[in-house]
Amino acid sequence: EDQVTQSPEALRLQEGESSSLNCSYTVSGLRGLFWYRQDPGKGPEFLFTLYSAGEEKEKERLKATLTKKESFLHITAPKPEDSATYLCAVQAGGSGIIFGKGTRLHILP
Amino acid sequence: GAVVSQHPSWVICKSGTSVKIECRSLDFQATTMFWYRQFPKQSLMLMATSNEGSKATYEQGVEKDKFLINHASLTLSTLTVTSAHPEDSSFYICSARKRGNNEKLFFGSGTQLSVL
Repeated sequence: EDQVTQSPEALRLQEGESSSLNCSYTVSGLRGLFWYRQDPGKGPEFLFTLYSAGEEKEKERLKATLTKKESFLHITAPKPEDSATYLCAVQAGGSGIIFGKGTRLHILP
Repeated sequence: GAVVSQHPSWVICKSGTSVKIECRSLDFQATTMFWYRQFPKQSLMLMATSNEGSKATYEQGVEKDKFLINHASLTLSTLTVTSAHPEDSSFYICSARKRGNNEKLFFGSGTQLSVL
């Protein structure tokens, strides 16, 4: 069964304190792994797509990496406005997109 | 950028009534649209996939007679919750896949449905 597991469920960091969010997946035939940001009461906002192990993508303070079993979303020197829920989703061959439960990130000023 | 508009943002209705939610791709053609529901602090759960001009494909456990999906054009899909009950209260989100782009999804802002 295809599965996507995100950890931790919630993370509180001080402003400027770098950390990483994890997304572990078990799927057959990975077609793509996606990271989204979701603010309360809003739809997810696309961040990155990763296709193959070893691939990395960056956007401002965020950097996403991918291995054959997991992806990390690294956040460097975060600011309070980075507080949100970060969702990981995986598209496997022949199936739709499966979402993880998300990591709620809270950056304290 | 690609924009998906979802309307209404929130709706309160009485038990037994029907509610229609619209999802529009404003500046692109969406060959496929997806409907999700999300409970507080839970992941997005795919309800159904709709392709323009054809019947929607529902996920296991989703009642097709209760959640009617219409994808009449390349820019509009609607979800109608029929005979809504309190247990249908949830956050509903649509997403659209841009024609020619098989990976990236663009999401609407969601609809909070509260059934009294």
